[in-house]
Amino acid sequence: RKEVEQDPGPFNVPEGATVAFNCTYSNSASQSFFWYRQDCRKEPKLLMSVYSSGNEDGRFTAQLNRASQYISLLIRDSKLSDSATYLCVVTISSGSARQLTFGSGTQLTVLP
Amino acid sequence: DAGVTQSPTHLIKTRGQQVTLRCSPISGHKSVSWYQQVLGQGPQFIFQYYEKEERGRGNFPDRFSARQFPNYSSELNVNALLLGDSALYLCASSLFRGVDEQFFGPGTRLTVL
Repeated sequence: RKEVEQDPGPFNVPEGATVAFNCTYSNSASQSFFWYRQDCRKEPKLLMSVYSSGNEDGRFTAQLNRASQYISLLIRDSKLSDSATYLCVVTISSGSARQLTFGSGTQLTVLP
Repeated sequence: DAGVTQSPTHLIKTRGQQVTLRCSPISGHKSVSWYQQVLGQGPQFIFQYYEKEERGRGNFPDRFSARQFPNYSSELNVNALLLGDSALYLCASSLFRGVDEQFFGPGTRLTVL
């Protein structure tokens, strides 16, 4: 079983749509949670951190449920520029390091 | 301020060769991590270095090694290259070892023929 699992998609949605991504993680000792965005052939970029209380950044809302080991990302009013792969990320201690563990990503295409 | 820089951007090698990839972290960041990303997958953790010492290692063979220099830059070495080593190699820096927010460089795309 993968440590972080995501629906690979692809999700193809029209501009203005609302789209939700889900992610589950297997290690209950996971400490921090993030969504990263990766454009084609580019590096991952931090989109937002995820907190149990839920957090919002403009059109983006992230939620964490530690009991269910479940993370979500909601994008409202999708823009063409939101087209990318969205990576669910948790941090796990490895030795004295804190490593990022990535899901395989969910591909989003926003259509005009 | 400059972000994380990596060199070279692209590299083509043949099986059995050795390769060295380089990374300079964001100014003031003391921790560097290396990740391997094969096509269609998320990045996989290889190493983390902090204050010039290895602090963590992922599930990679001993052919993979790294080091961090006094100026916090880092090198990743891969010996005896295999076709399966073809991937995007990403370097990420963070302020301190215990800080989870990591910032990625553009990566080095390695092709092994």
